[in-house]
Amino acid sequence: DMKVTQMPRYLIKRMGENVLLECGQDMSHETMYWYRQDPGLGLQLIYISYDVDSNSEGDIPKGYRVSRKKREHFSLILDSAKTNQTSVYFCASSRDWGGYEQYFGPGTRLTVL
Amino acid sequence: GEKVEQHESTLSVREGDSAVINCTYTDTASSYFPWYKQEAGKSLHFVIDIRSNVDRKQSQRLIVLLDKKAKRFSLHITATQPEDSAIYFCAASMSNNRIFFGDGTQLVVKP
Repeated sequence: DMKVTQMPRYLIKRMGENVLLECGQDMSHETMYWYRQDPGLGLQLIYISYDVDSNSEGDIPKGYRVSRKKREHFSLILDSAKTNQTSVYFCASSRDWGGYEQYFGPGTRLTVL
Repeated sequence: GEKVEQHESTLSVREGDSAVINCTYTDTASSYFPWYKQEAGKSLHFVIDIRSNVDRKQSQRLIVLLDKKAKRFSLHITATQPEDSAIYFCAASMSNNRIFFGDGTQLVVKP
């Protein structure tokens, strides 16, 4: 069953707290992504991971870091969250990093107060 | 890098009519053009794609056209139904590079 999961689905944090968003996939995909989606701004790529411990910055990496220690798992970490990081975060995976369909997770709605 | 633009931010059609969403891209090396659909409050899912070796692809009521000379591609939805209402994202990528998304087009199908 081809699936991307995200935990948690909803999260409320206070400014300055640390945030951990987790993503898993069961397709053995090499490539995984973290995006954020704000109203009217489409999808913004935060980080891309080409495989275990092989990560690259996307368009808006500032304030975020990632970890990928297993192929099926990709984490997004916000150290000392800021109110402008309130957003919906999507994880996705694909067989390779260009020219292949991306499978998206259900999203995490993060609110930073 | 590549820049993908969606020309219509919103599009309203009557049920049964056709809808056309247009996108342009900047990098002539782009060769893969997928489309994604996002229903209200949900995640994105893939609907159809086209590669640069063809200029037309159809899947049921969805048709994608690619004009490489004009660096333009479009999604045609025929015989629209209320469940076609969603945000549609176009995207472009090269075979050895990441994908770039447009900002999305909100399609409303009115009964």
